[in-house]
Amino acid sequence: GAGVSQSPSNKVTEKGKDVELRCDPISGHTALYWYRQSLGQGLEFLIYFQGNSAPDKSGLPSDRFSAERTGGSVSTLTIQRTQQEDSAVYLCASSPFSGRDNEQFFGPGTRLTVL
Amino acid sequence: GENVEQHPSTLSVQEGDSAVIKCTYSDSASNYFPWYKQELGKRPQLIIDIRSNVGEKKDQRIAVTLNKTAKHFSLHITETQPEDSAVYFCAASGPASGYSTLTFGKGTMLLVSP
Repeated sequence: GAGVSQSPSNKVTEKGKDVELRCDPISGHTALYWYRQSLGQGLEFLIYFQGNSAPDKSGLPSDRFSAERTGGSVSTLTIQRTQQEDSAVYLCASSPFSGRDNEQFFGPGTRLTVL
Repeated sequence: GENVEQHPSTLSVQEGDSAVIKCTYSDSASNYFPWYKQELGKRPQLIIDIRSNVGEKKDQRIAVTLNKTAKHFSLHITETQPEDSAVYFCAASGPASGYSTLTFGKGTMLLVSP
């Protein structure tokens, strides 16, 4: 079946602009994660959605970052007033159940470049 | 919260040699430890995982060992091949996140030379 998809694959924006990144998880997966991957860094957890529960936003680096998940499926990560340090690859992952002890399936990522 | 340290950051081996990557974690209550492989330009994929009720797990040329007392776990790759070249990430899951999220190490770039 189809895997996790993300769009756009690349995004170049100017400092101060807002951007929206989209994630389509695997159908039926209830858990959805956003990560940020910077050069030489690991996978930095940003936010976690599980079903209809309130999201775990503990990894969001500032209030410029927000995310929503509509209808328990598609998710959008929004970065307002982008800064150069926001440049990174943003990865989305989904998991079939609660995420506990379950494999996370990653999307191809969106490479964000802030000029 | 959980903190995962991973070493080395880069590892170069000759084809056929073994490679070992080590991780330590801080939360003694963590009980799930997966390893992900990310080839250049591709997405991370799970290659093996271990739970705290076992000390070792093998899958063909890869194995993972867990030492709960010392709070460290390791990935072992035997008879390395050029296609093993990738970045490997360890991770841990524990009660601080309700066992629902993973804390990743910073990754190890493995280069296998023919």
